[in-house]
Amino acid sequence: SAVISQKPSRDICQRGTSLTIQCQVDSQVTMMFWYRQQPGQSLTLIATANQGSEATYESGFVIDKFPISRPNLTFSTLTVSNMSPEDSSIYLCSGGQGVRETQYFGPGTRLLVL
Amino acid sequence: QKEVEQNSGPLSVPEGAIASLNCTYSDRVSQSFFWYRQYSGKSPELIMSIYSNGDKEDGRFTAQLNKASQYVSLLIRDSQPSDSATYLCAVNRVKTSYDKVIFGPGTSLSVIP
Repeated sequence: SAVISQKPSRDICQRGTSLTIQCQVDSQVTMMFWYRQQPGQSLTLIATANQGSEATYESGFVIDKFPISRPNLTFSTLTVSNMSPEDSSIYLCSGGQGVRETQYFGPGTRLLVL
Repeated sequence: QKEVEQNSGPLSVPEGAIASLNCTYSDRVSQSFFWYRQYSGKSPELIMSIYSNGDKEDGRFTAQLNKASQYVSLLIRDSQPSDSATYLCAVNRVKTSYDKVIFGPGTSLSVIP
């Protein structure tokens, strides 16, 4: 199994600012994903982080708002840009050898936007 | 129709009983099915994965898959208070360009001592 770390673990941010979340995997994984989990809700896929190329975004999520980088197989970042209180959520990074295989999750980043 | 559906619960069972969690999915060509457990304030952790029709057992947990009925379930035998959590069903959805994992809304389980 893969061990995934994220930082920061939590943050309180002001409206209009941006926050970059880092995700590090302890072993090479084929695929990395970013999810959002709003209070009391299930996981919503934001995008698939592709190594060395643009991320693949799901409906309702755009690159300008959630730019993602993945410079190598074990590291990815998600930026939440121009934040509003509606962006308050838990952001989760996951990794695995493919969507047909098990995904392992990081501990999450708890974001509160004031 | 939602892609992955679960009974939202909460489901309450007494300690020692069998807890039965159900999940249905809409994509007939899905190939991989997962059950995750999520404690409050924590990230999801994998309990079981299942890929073929039938039952798969791991300790107190049994996953059951019926692709013809597009149905997957999780049975927890001898339920313990520590099993109290939200259980997420996840299904890989196959598209022409790429596939991805879709999570259900989750079922909240409470095991009463």
